[in-house]
Amino acid sequence: AQSVTQLGSHVSVSEGALVLLRCNYSSSVPPYLFWYVQYPNQGLQLLLKYTTGATLVKGINGFEAEFKKSETSFHLTKPSAHMSDAAEYFCAVSGSGGGNKLTFGTGTQLKVEL
Amino acid sequence: EAQVTQNPRYLITVTGKKLTVTCSQNMNHEYMSWYRQDPGLGLRQIYYSMNVEVTDKGDVPEGYKVSRKEKRNFPLILESPSPNQTSLYFCASSQVGLNTEAFFGQGTRLTVV
Repeated sequence: AQSVTQLGSHVSVSEGALVLLRCNYSSSVPPYLFWYVQYPNQGLQLLLKYTTGATLVKGINGFEAEFKKSETSFHLTKPSAHMSDAAEYFCAVSGSGGGNKLTFGTGTQLKVEL
Repeated sequence: EAQVTQNPRYLITVTGKKLTVTCSQNMNHEYMSWYRQDPGLGLRQIYYSMNVEVTDKGDVPEGYKVSRKEKRNFPLILESPSPNQTSLYFCASSQVGLNTEAFFGQGTRLTVV
């Protein structure tokens, strides 16, 4: 079965600092990987997704993620955090179980401080 | 505007009182699913549907029912809610395909007392 592990349930950074949110996956086949963001009192929205062949993926709001097969990782980064980035971030993998099922990590709450 | 609409947003109910959470999408997506979100557990799939009249269990289906009579609607039914079903619920829809974007509703916060 496919799964993802997010290290760190809470991450705190200063405004302007680098954001690094970690995600490792477990998959016996090439994975389809996603990062979703959840702002307070809202549903999830797609930040970016991994497409086979492109190891560095750019998403919305200045976020990007690098797919590293050798490390089974798909970490999310942003060079300079903004207050508006405060949210919960979920890494997810699709392909296990039925159809389009997404298997989510447990989430990382990002706090951005002045 | 492309969207997934859930109702209600908030619901407090008592143990055993049947309830339905509605979900509707306007993107003509074949695939729809329900997730529940609990602290420290992320989102877990309850049920999904690949198309009209085709539904199947996800990872945590016990205590829930769904139906897919029309392509746009996918209601979640709790016939006899219990306190352990207190959670935040999300409906999602997407085109069929492993690399497609899922669109989520705003969520329904359910409390069962």
